[in-house]
Amino acid sequence: DVKVTQSSRYLVKRTGEKVFLECVQDMDHENMFWYRQDPGLGLRLIYFSYDVKMKEKGDIPEGYSVSREKKERFSLILESASTNQTSMYLCASSPNAGIQETQYFGPGTRLLVL
Amino acid sequence: SQQGEEDPQALSIQEGENATMNCSYKTSINNLQWYRQNSGRGLVHLILIRSNEREKHSGRLRVTLDTSKKSSSLLITASRAADTASYFCATDTSNYKLTFGKGTLLTVNP
Repeated sequence: DVKVTQSSRYLVKRTGEKVFLECVQDMDHENMFWYRQDPGLGLRLIYFSYDVKMKEKGDIPEGYSVSREKKERFSLILESASTNQTSMYLCASSPNAGIQETQYFGPGTRLLVL
Repeated sequence: SQQGEEDPQALSIQEGENATMNCSYKTSINNLQWYRQNSGRGLVHLILIRSNEREKHSGRLRVTLDTSKKSSSLLITASRAADTASYFCATDTSNYKLTFGKGTLLTVNP
């Protein structure tokens, strides 16, 4: 079975802190994604990566950056956390580049920025 | 409105009844997928239907796709309390990306 793990289930940070969210997948997938999920807004794509060291902006990249140094690991970075970044963050991976097939999700990280 | 909108937003039924959720989208697609999310957890893939398919089954799930109406439906038969979750449709709006709807919250009462 595909396993996608996220470094923390719950995280509390202060405004202005630099925050790292880590995601690891164990199935040699090409694509990895970061979403945020907010009530009434559904899932929104922040960034995705289709190969090591490659990244593409999603729909809401402002205030975020990403890093993919190894195929299995995709990190989301909040350079200076703000209260409006309080949200549920979901990482996902999928096997092949191109036409989208199934995405496999991690359990999510609920981030609270005070 | 965004690509992939589910209807209704919330649905409450009794155990044993069938649950039907609908999804409408705007642009042409290669495939449409349905996902399930239990409260506070990640999403789990349920079923994928390709644009050249009209109906697909998986256990108690039945998905239909009408590309002329740009709509899909998810039917869960003989629902159980454990089916209580949010259900999302997702469309491949471009290479690499899926666009998710806002979801239908299904509550199955024992």
